[in-house]
Amino acid sequence: DAKTTQPNSMESNEEEPVHLPCNHSTISGTDYIHWYRQLPSQGPEYVIHGLTSNVNNRMASLAIAEDRKSSTLILHRATLRDAAVYYCILKGGGSNYKLTFGKGTLLTVNP
Amino acid sequence: DTAVSQTPKYLVTQMGNDKSIKCEQNLGHDTMYWYKQDSKKFLKIMFSYNNKELIINETVPNRFSPKSPDKAHLNLHINSLELGDSAVYFCASSQEFSSTNEKLFFGSGTQLSVL
Repeated sequence: DAKTTQPNSMESNEEEPVHLPCNHSTISGTDYIHWYRQLPSQGPEYVIHGLTSNVNNRMASLAIAEDRKSSTLILHRATLRDAAVYYCILKGGGSNYKLTFGKGTLLTVNP
Repeated sequence: DTAVSQTPKYLVTQMGNDKSIKCEQNLGHDTMYWYKQDSKKFLKIMFSYNNKELIINETVPNRFSPKSPDKAHLNLHINSLELGDSAVYFCASSQEFSSTNEKLFFGSGTQLSVL
C-alpha cells in the first residue's frame, strides 16, 4: 500500500490560513491524492482530491508538488468548525484501489 | 435528507449476544462499505459491496456477516459479540468501486459497546 506521512497535530488561529502537509514519496503515477476530514463524533467527510495540478473547491485548496511526492491542504481562513482530524490518502489502481486511512493530523483551531 | 444513514447510533449489549447495524444510502450509489474505528481511532475497511456483490472482505472474523438486500442497503450482523468488537462502525457509499476519482460518503457512525 502506498503510504502517506502527516504530522500528528497542528494548531492554528481562527481566521488565519492553515497549511496541512502530507508526504507521499512512494506515490505511483496513477495514484490520486485524496483528503478527508473527521469532525468530532462524526464520520469522515470528503474534502478534496487531485492528481497533478493544484485544485480548488469551496472547502479548501490542494497544492501538489511538481514531483508529486508531497502535497499541502490549504484552508484559507480557519474557523472553529474546521477543527478535525485531516487524512491524506493515496487512491489508485492495482492493490491501492481501497481508501486506506492513516493516523491523520489533528487540527486544533484557537479562537 | 441524510445521504448515508445508520441505525442505531448507539448500541450497548452483553458479550455473546448477536446484533445488527443497518445502513441505507439515498444517493443512488452502486458501492457500499463498512469501516471500523477502534479506540485508538484507526479507521479500517471491513467489507465492500458493489451492486449487492461482496468485493472486499478484509481479514474480519466470520462472526461478522454483511448483507446487502439491494444496492441502497448494507447491513452488518455480528454474532457472539466479544469485548474487542467495541468500536465505532461507519457505513459509507460511493458511485463506483475502483475509480481512483471516487469520493466516499460516510454515515455518522454506530458506537457499539460490548459489556
